[in-house]
Amino acid sequence: EEQLLESGGGLVQPGGSLRLSCAGSGFSFTNYAMTWVRQAPGQGPEWVSGITGSGGSTTYAGSVKGRFTISRDSSKNTLFLQMNSLRAEDTAIYYCAKDLRIWSSGGMDLWGRGTTVTVSS
Amino acid sequence: QSALTQPPSASGSPGQSVTISCTGTSSDVGDYNYVSWYQQHPGKAPKLMIYEVTKRPSGVPDRFSGSKSGNTASLTVSGLQAEDEADYYCSSYADSNIAVFGGGTRVTVL
Repeated sequence: EEQLLESGGGLVQPGGSLRLSCAGSGFSFTNYAMTWVRQAPGQGPEWVSGITGSGGSTTYAGSVKGRFTISRDSSKNTLFLQMNSLRAEDTAIYYCAKDLRIWSSGGMDLWGRGTTVTVSS
Repeated sequence: QSALTQPPSASGSPGQSVTISCTGTSSDVGDYNYVSWYQQHPGKAPKLMIYEVTKRPSGVPDRFSGSKSGNTASLTVSGLQAEDEADYYCSSYADSNIAVFGGGTRVTVL
């Protein structure tokens, strides 16, 4: 069974850092792009960042560019999101999702349950 | 990149059809056939219902269909059922290798 499991969320002060992880299982990890999507309370999803199956190309939403870094460890079937200089507006549930393609097409057919990030003093 | 535009709400009686629009620009919906639709029930992760404008993942009922004309994509749910009541979000691949989501449409089954 295909599965994604996020971890690493929590409460952090403004300006702080967090590193999210997402462990994938049940599918060939390197054959698919992976994505982080976040959803603030009461809001719709927001695409945050994507990485190709090989890990050779990454892209970011303008709202996080320069602060967040996406990466993947294919030997461990794990996706990461390093979040620095966190702001209150980064507060959200963060989902990792598997893309249908080896590049970030926006079609994501497998989602984790999400991990909650709260940025507050 | 601005979010795609969706109507905030739509409704229909059981058995009826409802169509949701998703308006973008020539930098996203209009230029790429990579529009997806997601269904989200409260407290749950989004679920892919349509991808690449018209394709249905395995297990999604054929009551769900997608289309596109110019900068606007649409999702139609035919034969509405109670379990279709949820929030629906469109997304599109966009210039600069990013994706954008719509603001969401709450579908109510009357």
